[in-house]
Amino acid sequence: SQKIEQNSEALNIQEGKTATLTCNYTNYSPAYLQWYRQDPGRGPVFLLLIRENEKEKRKERLKVTFDTTLKQSLFHITASQPADSATYLCALDRGRDDKIIFGKGTRLHILP
Amino acid sequence: DAGVIQSPRHEVTEMGQEVTLRCKPISGHNSLFWYRQTMMRGLELLIYFNNNVPIDDSGMPEDRFSAKMPNASFSTLKIQPSEPRDSAVYFCASSFVQGVYEQYFGPGTRLTVT
Repeated sequence: SQKIEQNSEALNIQEGKTATLTCNYTNYSPAYLQWYRQDPGRGPVFLLLIRENEKEKRKERLKVTFDTTLKQSLFHITASQPADSATYLCALDRGRDDKIIFGKGTRLHILP
Repeated sequence: DAGVIQSPRHEVTEMGQEVTLRCKPISGHNSLFWYRQTMMRGLELLIYFNNNVPIDDSGMPEDRFSAKMPNASFSTLKIQPSEPRDSAVYFCASSFVQGVYEQYFGPGTRLTVT
């Protein structure tokens, strides 16, 4: 079965630096890969979606890459701010009525 | 739009009691999902509906769990009887089309079974 690995330990980054989060998966390559942000006590909020035929997607300070050879997606936050502190989840979907699978998420702390 | 609405926000109940969680998806969305989140297992998909029809309920833990979607604007997740191991945060989410578009999550229901 498909498995998703995200850094289980919290990631501490100095304000202003680039934060890079990793999402690795096994088995099949998904048709779509999504990244979500989750704050304590709240539901996940969608950030970016990247398709299997796309190498990179950007949105303001966010950048996602998708390497189907390495079976890996990287999520970058440039010029990080304390307000970026949250848990970030990646989610994989084959897009054929298969259920979406979420990783457990990585907690990111941006230190002022 | 008010977003996905869930009720109650918090539920504390005793083992053996019936629990019903409610969800109102975003108007116009035709896919609805129920998730359970715990520290140990993360976010798990329990069941999802397309156009009010259950498509995949393989994530439902056991027969004690059931979900219905009688119309496009309302869904329920029922646990009967509840057990302490059911304690978790339950999220409802909706989207236009499963997998192709992003999902919009509700605020969740924190369930505690004592």
